Amino acid sequence: AQRVTQPEKLLSVFKGAPVELKCNYSYSGSPELFWYVQYSRQRLQLLLRHISRESIKGFTADLNKGETSFHLKKPFAQEEDSAMYYCALSSSGYSTLTFGKGTMLLVSP
Amino acid sequence: AAGVIQSPRHLIKEKRETATLKCYPIPRHDTVYWYQQGPGQDPQFLISFYEKMQSDKGSIPDRFSAQQFSDYHSELNMSSLELGDSALYFCASRGSSGNTIYFGEGSWLTVV
Repeated sequence: AQRVTQPEKLLSVFKGAPVELKCNYSYSGSPELFWYVQYSRQRLQLLLRHISRESIKGFTADLNKGETSFHLKKPFAQEEDSAMYYCALSSSGYSTLTFGKGTMLLVSP
Repeated sequence: AAGVIQSPRHLIKEKRETATLKCYPIPRHDTVYWYQQGPGQDPQFLISFYEKMQSDKGSIPDRFSAQQFSDYHSELNMSSLELGDSALYFCASRGSSGNTIYFGEGSWLTVV
């Protein structure tokens, strides 16, 4: 069975501080990992996917297969980054997404 | 670019009534997913369709049913509504050539 764990329900930081949202997964095969962001109960928006190895809005995430982690990082948080962040896993192909419980990021001025 | 369209945006129903939510995927996307997100909860997968056939089934109650039509739009039918069905229902779609799932704005269902 596949599972995604986001240990922090809430992460509160000051503007300009570094941010790391943790995500660990359990899956026996080669998963595809994603980060989605949800602002004020709006739609889930794709932020990052591990296969593209890109940086969006200053966020990066590296898949660490040894530690089964896909932590989301940003060196300098901005107030507009405040949102709910979900880590998600897809086993492969056209399979569904399994979401973690989400981490609320609050960035204070 | 066109996104996933969901209708209605908000819906209020009484207990034991029925409700139908509609989803129009991104053009040329052939896979549709339905998710339910309760208050303060993470999205829970309900059901998915690929090429108009059910492809996967999650925690969808027996009172709910769904289908995908020839134009690839999908409808989620909910009967005998309960207070606990109050949630944000997301539809998402994926194309055959991509591995990214795109979500709609969601339909808010409130059961009173």
